[in-house]
Amino acid sequence: GAVVSQHPSRVICKSGTSVKIECRSLDFQATTMFWYRQFPKKSLMLMATSNEGSKATYEQGVEKDKFLINHASLTLSTLTVTSAHPEDSSFYICSASPYWGATEAFFGQGTRLTVV
Amino acid sequence: GDSVTQMEGPVTLSEEAFLTINCTYTATGYPSLFWYVQYPGEGLQLLLKATKADDKGSNKGFEATYRKETTSFHLEKGSVQVSDSAVYFCALLGSGGSNYKLTFGKGTLLTVNP
Repeated sequence: GAVVSQHPSRVICKSGTSVKIECRSLDFQATTMFWYRQFPKKSLMLMATSNEGSKATYEQGVEKDKFLINHASLTLSTLTVTSAHPEDSSFYICSASPYWGATEAFFGQGTRLTVV
Repeated sequence: GDSVTQMEGPVTLSEEAFLTINCTYTATGYPSLFWYVQYPGEGLQLLLKATKADDKGSNKGFEATYRKETTSFHLEKGSVQVSDSAVYFCALLGSGGSNYKLTFGKGTLLTVNP
């Protein structure tokens, strides 16, 4: 199957700093990428959907100025958590689809963010 | 909007027992349905999928059938192993437009004891 690589797998940052998470599709071009957040023992919450070259579409309640998403190429999307706070600590997962409407999305390994 | 309702568990079984995890959905159009598995500290792995009504997805002894009449996609395995212990998520991928996104159930923690 298609491979999506997410980096870093774990990151610890100080409160008030920003951290960038990368999501790469290694063997296919990902027109559409999704970013999810998973709280402990909870399901995945969709944060935003991005199409290459367009602005991301954020789900209701997700602060777009805090969670900056860039999808500048067909193989790379980034999520930047700005001015991170301890409540932003979570497991962030990306997924990628080869085109809008594809019947499958491929997941990265996830990033464990801890803000201290 | 689209939604997925999944048996929350936790589910604890003995090795070689039969497993069923129920999943029902609400969606417009013709969604695709998935089961994902997540092992501790890891990301999601696709377990199986079905893209249209009456399709049966299967992998590693797990099966699920896309039942449009009952809007269900129950996961089954005839004989579970200790290595099957994980969290299982039922998910729906909308068929297009603003519905094109994965909606997840809340996950079911399965523990299989030797």
